[in-house]
Parts: sequence; C-alpha cells; structure tokens
Amino acid sequence: DQQVKQNSPSLSVQEGRISILNCDYTNSMFDYFLWYKKYPAEGPTFLISISSIKDKNEDGRFTVFLNKSAKHLSLHIVPSQPGDSAVYFCAASDGAAGNKLTFGGGTRVLVKP
Amino acid sequence: DSGVTQTPKHLITATGQRVTLRCSPRSGDLSVYWYQQSLDQGLQFLIQYYNGEERAKGNILERFSAQQFPDLHSELNLSSLELGDSALYFCASSVDEGINQPQHFGDGTRLSIL
Repeated sequence: DQQVKQNSPSLSVQEGRISILNCDYTNSMFDYFLWYKKYPAEGPTFLISISSIKDKNEDGRFTVFLNKSAKHLSLHIVPSQPGDSAVYFCAASDGAAGNKLTFGGGTRVLVKP
Repeated sequence: DSGVTQTPKHLITATGQRVTLRCSPRSGDLSVYWYQQSLDQGLQFLIQYYNGEERAKGNILERFSAQQFPDLHSELNLSSLELGDSALYFCASSVDEGINQPQHFGDGTRLSIL
C-alpha cells in the first residue's frame, strides 16, 4: 500500500522555466511534508518542508504548496537551473511512533540548457 | 555535505554472511534513522534510535538489528544475508525526536550480495 505517490516518474523542463512536481498521499494522519533532492551516488538532500497548519512555504526558488482536502502537495522551482537536474522525493510524517518518513517513488527532473 | 557519515561506502559479500554498517550523525543530533532503498521498494524506513534508545520500527527483518552507542553513532547489523538484501542503506539524523524536523541523510552504503 503506497501511502505517498509521485505519479510522474520524469519531467523535462527548459532552463529558466518553472518545474512543478506533484505528490499525493492517502494517510490523513500525515502532518509534516518534505521534499528532498538526490544526485547519483549521494544521499537525499533536504530542500524544503511544510507542516499541515500551512498551505504554502517558500525558500528562495523553491515553493511547496499543500492542499489538505485533496491530500496533494506540489513543489515549484522557479527559475529552473541545470544544476536542479536530479531525482526529487516527497516524504511525509505523521508524528506518531517516532518521526519516520514515508517516501514517494521519486520524480527525475532534467533541466535543459 | 550533510554532516552525516556512513561507512563503508560499498560492501560486497556472499549469501549467509553478516555485515555491520556504521553511521555517525551530524554533530548535536540525537536521533538516528535507518532506511533501505531497493529498486522495487523505494526508500523504506527501517528503525529509529534516540539518544541510545529504540524509538520506532518499520518493516525491519528479524535478521537485521541496530543499536546506538553512548557517543551517538549507530550500527546496523545484517545477518544471514540473502540476495534480496542487496540495496542502498541510508542513515539519517535529526536534532531530537520531535516532529516537524527535517532529517539529514548520509551518502549511504551500497550492499551487494553475490
């Protein structure tokens, strides 16, 4: 049972344009959401997070939107840069039984110069 | 550099063997988490320790065990290894066990079972 899903396995975008990555979840107990970026041969790097009491969080070029009623979150990257080419994972936590993260399957982003 | 150190980077061993993966958390972090990333299962939570005590368990096999030592480093022990245990094993750490904290990941140990 996949509680966190990233339905787009890949995304290609032109440099300077917006990248939009989507994530859906099924567990209504999730109350903290994160996005990670992963380069090959490296561990996931934390990008941005949002708690369920907010619907938007912004950090530089990265903005995360949360729609609790739809159980949907998205990550916007503006403007996209070639260095953003990586695999992006969304993750969620329900705060119970520790702070374990449940991850989506990832979206591979390619930013073309 | 996340500040989380994992050794070794690569391990190649045979079925039936036992291995130990080591993790040093970021300075000041008390909580350590272990995750497994395999091709068919994605990133899966295994176990969490906080200040030496086990806090949460995921779908960790009985053949696997972990501990966190007084200096806060952690070890993941995998025994009676099977071909299906081949995967990337990541360690992550956070400041404490509270919610709404990001976890910071090491670069992983790639385990290959021949």
